[in-house]
Order: sequence, then structure tokens, then C-alpha cells
Amino acid sequence: EVQLMQSGAEVKKTGESLKISCKGSGYDFTEYLIAWVRQMPGKGLEWMGIIYPSDSDTRYSPSFQGQVTISVDKSISTAYLQWSSLKASDTAMYYCAIGLRSFPYFAFWGLGSLVSVFS
Amino acid sequence: DIVMTQSPDSLAVSLGERATINCKSSQSILYTSNNKNYLAWYQQKPGQPPKLLIYWASTRESEVPDRFSGSGSGTDFTLTISNLQAEDVAVYHCQQYYSSPLSFGQGTKVEIK
Repeated sequence: EVQLMQSGAEVKKTGESLKISCKGSGYDFTEYLIAWVRQMPGKGLEWMGIIYPSDSDTRYSPSFQGQVTISVDKSISTAYLQWSSLKASDTAMYYCAIGLRSFPYFAFWGLGSLVSVFS
Repeated sequence: DIVMTQSPDSLAVSLGERATINCKSSQSILYTSNNKNYLAWYQQKPGQPPKLLIYWASTRESEVPDRFSGSGSGTDFTLTISNLQAEDVAVYHCQQYYSSPLSFGQGTKVEIK
């Protein structure tokens, strides 16, 4: 059974750093790309970027380029999303999802990691 | 960048009736070499992650009830929910995967009238 296990909820202050994780199981981790998707409270879905675990090739949405870093450790089947300096506007639910390199629609999603940032 | 625009933002439909959601892309997402439209639809219920319903604009994901159907080509697409059930109350999102950056529509909320 395919599972994407995301790290738990985080409460942070503005300016702090944060790294959240997404661990894949039940499938060949290097066969599928991993995407990160933001959902701000009461809002729609925003694609942040993707990483290909096979070669760590990473692509960012222009809206998130330079704001976050996506990485992967394929030895433990885990992808990461990190911030060096959080803002209040980073408060959101963050989902990881997997898709195929050529056809990146997302059949499997994690349950989400809620990040709350207070000043 | 391709912008996805859904309409309406919300709609209320009686049980057993039909719900129709539209999604328009700012440029064609039909890849002519394989004649496929690079569009997916997702359902998101409160407190849950999105669930894939349809890909290639009209291919239903396994175990998705056949009352959900997708149609359209090029820039204009439709998700139809026939015979609306109470469990279909959710927000529905379209997504293009034709080109990077990938993009979603703003979502359409479906409620029971």
C-alpha cells in the first residue's frame, strides 16, 4: 500500500527555520517525483515545486523560488521542505504528493503538515 | 505560465441532481503528438487531502464512482457530477500538468441545496 507519511504540526515564530518531511513507502521511491503543495487557510492549492528522487533534480514554482528549499534523502525514502526564515504568511497546510515524471498528476497524497507561524 | 480559472466559485445542487463545474486554461493543454489533454480533477473534503478523481481530462481513477465524469479539450473543461450524493459535498480542483509551473484552479465548492 502506497503511503506518504508527513511530519507533524509545527508552531513557530517569525524568523525561525523549519524543515518538514514526507516519507514514502509501499512503492519504488525513485520511480516517482514528489511535489509539495501549499494550501493557505480557506484557500486553494498552490504548487510549490517538485523533486525527482532518482537524481535530486528540483524544479520550483517562480512564486516559491528562493523562499523554500526542497531536498530528498533517497536512502531513507524521505523528501523535505525547508524554510530558513519563516514569515507569518507561511502559515498553511503543506501536502506532499507523488506523480510520474512525464505525467505529473497526483494519485497519492500525504495527510498534510500544518505550519503555524506567529510574530 | 498557464493560469487555470474555475467557475463558479461555489454552487448548491439538490440531491440527485447534476452539478457542473467548469475549468478554463489560459492556453491549450492539449498535447497534439499524443492527442491528450493534460488536465486532472481532484475532490477535497474538509480536513482531508485532495483525492484524484480524473486525469487526461476524462479518465476516471480506479474506484471513483461513474457519476463523476470529465470532458473538454484544448482550453475548456468540465467536471460533471450526475445524481449528486450527500458524500459529494467537497471542494473540487482542476490542475494542468502540461507545463511547468504546474497550476491549479482556485477551487469550486459544491454544497447541497
